[in-house]
Amino acid sequence: GAVVSQHPSWVICKSGTSVKIECRSLDFQATTMFWYRQFPKQSLMLMATSNEGSKATYEQGVEKDKFLINHASLTLSTLTVTSAHPEDSSFYICSASRPGTYEQYFGPGTRLTVT
Amino acid sequence: AQRVTQPEKLLSVFKGAPVELKCNYSYSGSPELFWYVQYSRQRLQLLLRHISRESIKGFTADLNKGETSFHLKKPFAQEEDSAMYYCALSTGGFKTIFGAGTRLFVKA
Repeated sequence: GAVVSQHPSWVICKSGTSVKIECRSLDFQATTMFWYRQFPKQSLMLMATSNEGSKATYEQGVEKDKFLINHASLTLSTLTVTSAHPEDSSFYICSASRPGTYEQYFGPGTRLTVT
Repeated sequence: AQRVTQPEKLLSVFKGAPVELKCNYSYSGSPELFWYVQYSRQRLQLLLRHISRESIKGFTADLNKGETSFHLKKPFAQEEDSAMYYCALSTGGFKTIFGAGTRLFVKA
């Protein structure tokens, strides 16, 4: 199999604080991980592509200083939402792909609510 | 520009009826196309990929480069097929672009 986990599954934080979301590939090494954001009843919006050992590639319009991504190992990538605001409230989903392949394996997502 | 278009937000069919979920893409290179499915309260998962030319759960999809389409078809829909379906295009750098998604509702 190819299982991807995310932690936490949901989090509530106060405005101005930072939140870290973890994405792990449990049974395979993922050289590339992706972070998406999904608004209610909308499709996935790619935020950034994360490669192990190098800086993440952010999509246009995504603030790299606000959404810090670290891909420290072949099985772990983290997304830190810094100085969170209510408009950052969303469903964040990560995915991972095996080396040299295009298909992605998705985590269950993290629901972030900023009050 | 790279783009994936799924023209139907919602598709409702009766059980046993044929179903076709439309997907058109725009990409100047050689496309890698996928269909992903999300069942209620489950994570997004790969349904099928065009290079495999496989049939999964009775679904097939043929890449038509002339029409730049990758429609998903099933001859006889089942209630358990009700889900959200996303067409996806992978480009260089292993980045994937998702369509807006089509919600399929199969009525008994």
